[in-house]
Amino acid sequence: DQQVKQNSPSLSVQEGRISILNCDYTNSMFDYFLWYKKYPAEGPTFLISISSIKDKNEDGRFTVFLNKSAKHLSLHIVPSQPGDSAVYFCAARIPSDSWGKLQFGAGTQVVVTP
Amino acid sequence: DAGVIQSPRHEVTEMGQEVTLRCKPISGHDYLFWYRQTMMRGLELLIYFNNNVPIDDSGMPEDRFSAKMPNASFSTLKIQPSEPRDSAVYFCASSFSQELFFGSGTQLSVL
Repeated sequence: DQQVKQNSPSLSVQEGRISILNCDYTNSMFDYFLWYKKYPAEGPTFLISISSIKDKNEDGRFTVFLNKSAKHLSLHIVPSQPGDSAVYFCAARIPSDSWGKLQFGAGTQVVVTP
Repeated sequence: DAGVIQSPRHEVTEMGQEVTLRCKPISGHDYLFWYRQTMMRGLELLIYFNNNVPIDDSGMPEDRFSAKMPNASFSTLKIQPSEPRDSAVYFCASSFSQELFFGSGTQLSVL
């Protein structure tokens, strides 16, 4: 049973506008949430993370918001750029596990149009 | 460092054949992970090693799957016999601390 869900398989956004990617989870034991970005024919690369004790983390154009009561997190990209076109994976970690033992969502394909 | 290196990049085989995927982690990393990506389920952890020792193989789907790490610089994932439902992209990743570094993956197609 998938504990991390990304219900939007794709998202199209105009260059310069905001991209909002959503992720829901079911396991309240998760203590860290991460976003990975993946280009075609490449492996995923780490983008940004947030601890479960925080509700927001910002890194340049990327901001992740966490709503623990709703078991929901989102990634905001502002402004969106053509190079942001990629698949974005939401992931979560259980405290007792290795940092690499992550539960991933199915991914959201983002297309940024000129 | 060249990063995590996987081979082959693409593998096409027939049902029933043995498939071996290979991975060279980043030098100095003490954790190695094998993930599988499918459209429906995204990335799923199959197995991971710490200092060459398998720690958790609960994600390995069946006995047809096996993984080894004979030394710190090499790991294999073997499927025998392969089935069409094994078709997916298989990623190897390594880490030393908190960040996970992925290889470019092996696209496996079982006909």
